[in-house]
Amino acid sequence: DTAVSQTPKYLVTQMGNDKSIKCEQNLGHDTMYWYKQDSKKFLKIMFSYNNKELIINETVPNRFSPKSPDKAHLNLHINSLELGDSAVYFCASSQEDGTADEAFFGQGTRLTVV
Amino acid sequence: EDKVVQSPLSLVVHEGDTVTLNCSYEVTNFRSLLWYKQEKKAPTFLFMLTSSGIEKKSGRLSSILDKKELFSILNITATQTGDSAVYLCAVALETSGTYKYIFGTGTRLKVLA
Repeated sequence: DTAVSQTPKYLVTQMGNDKSIKCEQNLGHDTMYWYKQDSKKFLKIMFSYNNKELIINETVPNRFSPKSPDKAHLNLHINSLELGDSAVYFCASSQEDGTADEAFFGQGTRLTVV
Repeated sequence: EDKVVQSPLSLVVHEGDTVTLNCSYEVTNFRSLLWYKQEKKAPTFLFMLTSSGIEKKSGRLSSILDKKELFSILNITATQTGDSAVYLCAVALETSGTYKYIFGTGTRLKVLA
């Protein structure tokens, strides 16, 4: 069973379009994240949600809007896509219950804006 | 500003060599330091370190944390071509009742046969 799953895995779209990436985790974790990884493999946090509540918003343009319908899902909608949005987007989840700190990552969504 | 710095940025070695990867950090509300291995897709978890001086081992990999000097090292002995990957160091910070993970830039390791 996949712990953190993202769809789609690949997304190629034109500038100006609107697109969504979906993420689901079946680990029962309370916290979910979106990270953006650039071409140099640098992972930068974008958003964090805890029990459907936005906790962290790291100065991401407001064209990016996360939505958490329940604690197992965190989707990312991107409006008016720009060339610089091309990257791999990773969803992750974690449970801060004192037993383990590690975040579990999805397989990533490679977004290419042309 | 919280930051995590890894060195070297890239490394090329031959099979059988031993490598040491470095991670230093300057953060507030430190909770733990984590190492991940990233091949083609998702980062996969290797170690979590919370206490200074206690070595964690898994096969040929080991890691240790120094909370006084604010760094960690990841050692890989008898490297194999399958160890080729990007190794990511992350620090978990406590913020607003939850965690935030700050990643370093990664060390790209290539092991030649």
